[in-house]
Amino acid sequence: AQKVTQAQTEISVVEKEDVTLDCVYETRDTTYYLFWYKQPPSGELVFLIRRNSFDEQNEISGRYSWNFQKSTSSFNFTITASQVVDSAVYFCALSEVRGNDMRFGAGTRLTVKP
Amino acid sequence: AAGVIQSPRHLIKEKRETATLKCYPIPRHDTVYWYQQGPGQDPQFLISFYEKMQSDKGSIPDRFSAQQFSDYHSELNMSSLELGDSALYFCASSLGVQTREQYFGPGTRLTVT
Repeated sequence: AQKVTQAQTEISVVEKEDVTLDCVYETRDTTYYLFWYKQPPSGELVFLIRRNSFDEQNEISGRYSWNFQKSTSSFNFTITASQVVDSAVYFCALSEVRGNDMRFGAGTRLTVKP
Repeated sequence: AAGVIQSPRHLIKEKRETATLKCYPIPRHDTVYWYQQGPGQDPQFLISFYEKMQSDKGSIPDRFSAQQFSDYHSELNMSSLELGDSALYFCASSLGVQTREQYFGPGTRLTVT
C-alpha cells in the first residue's frame, strides 16, 4: 500500500531563513510519481512539482528546490530565503502507476514571520 | 491559462438534504478526479473518470455518486447529507491518466448543518 509521511506538522521560521520540508514515502511499485502542492489560506491546491521514480535529478525553481533520494524514499522540499507569502500548508503526494488516485501526506503548515 | 472550474464555491445544506457539485476541467483534459478534504485533514481521493468512464474508486461513500459527461465536465451527487460530510471538495483534471499531473480547482466548501 502506498503511504506518505510528513513528520513535521508545523514549522515556523523568520523571513529570509531557509527551510526544508521533509517527505518520506512507501510504495511497492517501481514506477510512481511524487508531487508537492501548496495550499495557502485561501484553500486552493497549487501544483509545485511532479517527479517520476526514474528521474532522481534534483530540481531547482527559483527559491524552491527538491531533493529526491530513492535510497531513503524521500522527496524533500527546500525554500531558500523564505518570504511571508510562502506561509501555507504544503502537501507531499504519491501516485502509483497502477492506480489513478493520489495519496497525500498529512501536510506541513509553514509559517514565515516578518 | 484556463483552470479547473468548480461550482458552487460555497454550499450550505441541512442534514439529509442532497447536494450536487460541478467540475469543469481544463480544456482538452479528459480525466477528472474528486477529493474530499475535511477540516485539518489531507485530501482524500474519492473517485476518478477517464473518457466518461469511472477509472478508479477510493473512499467514496455509497451515498455519493458521480459521473462524467460528454463535454468532460463532472458532477458529484451527494445524498442524505451528514454533518461529517462538511468539507472542502476538490476536483482535479489531467490530460490522460498517465501524466499524473493533476491540476486542482479552487474547491467547493460544503457545510452541512
